[in-house]
Amino acid sequence: DTAVSQTPKYLVTQMGNDKSIKCEQNLGHDTMYWYKQDSKKFLKIMFSYNNKELIINETVPNRFSPKSPDKAHLNLHINSLELGDSAVYFCASSLEGGAPYEQYFGPGTRLTVT
Amino acid sequence: AQTVTQSQPEMSVQEAETVTLSCTYDTSESDYYLFWYKQPPSRQMILVIRQEAYKQQNATENRFSVNFQKAAKSFSLKISDSQLGDAAMYFCAYRTYNFNKFYFGSGTKLNVKP
Repeated sequence: DTAVSQTPKYLVTQMGNDKSIKCEQNLGHDTMYWYKQDSKKFLKIMFSYNNKELIINETVPNRFSPKSPDKAHLNLHINSLELGDSAVYFCASSLEGGAPYEQYFGPGTRLTVT
Repeated sequence: AQTVTQSQPEMSVQEAETVTLSCTYDTSESDYYLFWYKQPPSRQMILVIRQEAYKQQNATENRFSVNFQKAAKSFSLKISDSQLGDAAMYFCAYRTYNFNKFYFGSGTKLNVKP
């Protein structure tokens, strides 16, 4: 059983397009995250939701909009894609207030903007 | 805010030998959690080992062990009997005790030579 799943795993699109990445976790976790990993492998937190409420919103362009329909899902919509958006995007989840304490990651979505 | 520093961007080890990856962090908290994650070329983030700050005993998982020095705010990972499959990026991560926030280091690329 996949714990944290993301779709699609690969996304190739042109500048100016709008795209979405979906994430689902079946671990019963209450917190979900989006990270961006650039070509130098640095992991940058973008957003975090706890029980559907936004709790972390780092300095991310307004073109990026997360949506959490329920605590098992966190989607990422990107408007007007730019070349600099090319990266791997990871979804992750964790449980607040109890074990296990670590984050569980999805397989990542490699976004390529041409 | 907490910061996590991995001062070794890249390291190499001979197969079957031992290697230690360094990690330091900055915090004013007394309770927190520390992790090492492995990211092989498949890009999946895999938890290697976790350490609760309130535990004095260093965590071990088979060939992986940590040297946790709370006063020095140091959390190094030792890999014994290195195998080719250990070649990956390794990330050190810190989790706050409250508020479920995670902070990642910049990663260390480990090469394993046959």
